[in-house]
Amino acid sequence: DAGVTQSPTHLIKTRGQHVTLRCSPISGHKSVSWYQQVLGQGPQFIFQYYEKEERGRGNFPDRFSARQFPNYSSELNVNALLLGDSALYLCASSLVGEGRETQYFGPGTRLLVL
Amino acid sequence: AQKITQTQPGMFVQEKEAVTLDCTYDTSDPSYGLFWYKQPSSGEMIFLIYQGSYDQQNATEGRYSLNFQKARKSANLVISASQLGDSAMYFCAMRPPISSGNTGKLIFGQGTTLQVKP
Repeated sequence: DAGVTQSPTHLIKTRGQHVTLRCSPISGHKSVSWYQQVLGQGPQFIFQYYEKEERGRGNFPDRFSARQFPNYSSELNVNALLLGDSALYLCASSLVGEGRETQYFGPGTRLLVL
Repeated sequence: AQKITQTQPGMFVQEKEAVTLDCTYDTSDPSYGLFWYKQPSSGEMIFLIYQGSYDQQNATEGRYSLNFQKARKSANLVISASQLGDSAMYFCAMRPPISSGNTGKLIFGQGTTLQVKP
């Protein structure tokens, strides 16, 4: 079975631009979570979506938004990019996103903002 | 607020030896979950092991075991018989309690870089 997939793998943008990152969960998984990992730090939680509804949000500005589609894939959007948005963006999926469930991560999208 | 602390920025271990990676956590809730992930240089987070706060036994998965000491709020990862392929960044993470309403989130520590020497 395919794991979590993310696209694109790498991206270079300039300040002020907008970016869309995509994630496809493991087949059968209905929950998707997004994380930002700045170099040298642990991942920070951005959003969780379950059944197309936002279930959780981390401490990120409104420039960050996300959505989940009927096939459970998800997009993360970041507007008005700042240099500090340069990071590895990780997507994780799980069955319903709670309890003892493990979150399985994709390979990430490396975003560089110049 | 929940917090994970990993105090070892970097560790070295000789191939075939065992190594312990430290993790302490802070939460006031009795219900939580603890995870360890491995992150190679490629970036993907690979799940290693899980420990629930109510689990009676310490978790084990192959060469990985979790030394869970609830009273001390520690959840150290033990890797036995280290292999060269174990060289990577290791993260301890906690799932908040159900009462927080935010169980889809993992709180990560800063990570420990492990290098296995041949």
